[in-house]
Amino acid sequence: EAQVTQNPRYLITVTGKKLTVTCSQNMNHEYMSWYRQDPGLGLRQIYYSMNVEVTDKGDVPEGYKVSRKEKRNFPLILESPSPNQTSLYFCASSLVAGGAYEQYFGPGTRLTVT
Amino acid sequence: GIQVEQSPPDLILQEGANSTLRCNFSDSVNNLQWFHQNPWGQLINLFYIPSGTKQNGRLSATTVATERYSLLYISSSQTTDSGVYFCAGTTSGTYKYIFGTGTRLKVLA
Repeated sequence: EAQVTQNPRYLITVTGKKLTVTCSQNMNHEYMSWYRQDPGLGLRQIYYSMNVEVTDKGDVPEGYKVSRKEKRNFPLILESPSPNQTSLYFCASSLVAGGAYEQYFGPGTRLTVT
Repeated sequence: GIQVEQSPPDLILQEGANSTLRCNFSDSVNNLQWFHQNPWGQLINLFYIPSGTKQNGRLSATTVATERYSLLYISSSQTTDSGVYFCAGTTSGTYKYIFGTGTRLKVLA
């Protein structure tokens, strides 16, 4: 089944404790992206990647890191989480071929930082 | 930066009613998509519609790229249509995605 998977789905952590949220897709998509969703602010893009070793900032990259060492994986790293990073996080992927970027989303990761 | 405004922000319908949701862009947008976020938080692809019209069952969508808007039509609404509807697209000349503000729909039985 074609899908985007994220782990963990739920995470409660404390300020300053490094964490990684994994994202994996099995559709051979070149484009992958991370978003956060907050009440009243909608979905905002954190980082995106056009292909392996190619990443770029979205609208809200502060406090986050990403890496794209393999085509199928795009982990999101919070090196020193803070309470303002409490949010619902989504990973997405899409093909790039033909210039069409139809995104498919993972199930989401609900992160709470205390 | 580019603004994506959706209207109406909230909508309550009786089951069986029809509705039109609108997405307006302040500047050119590519790769326009419509999503439904169900009450469990999942984001479900409805349409990839950079231009033209598409239909899928009770749902259809139209994008008029030259006039910077897109419409989502829901006919014979059902309670399972409840949730939030988002439009999104890439800003012209970039690969950044921007999402609309969303329309929260509640369909009553």
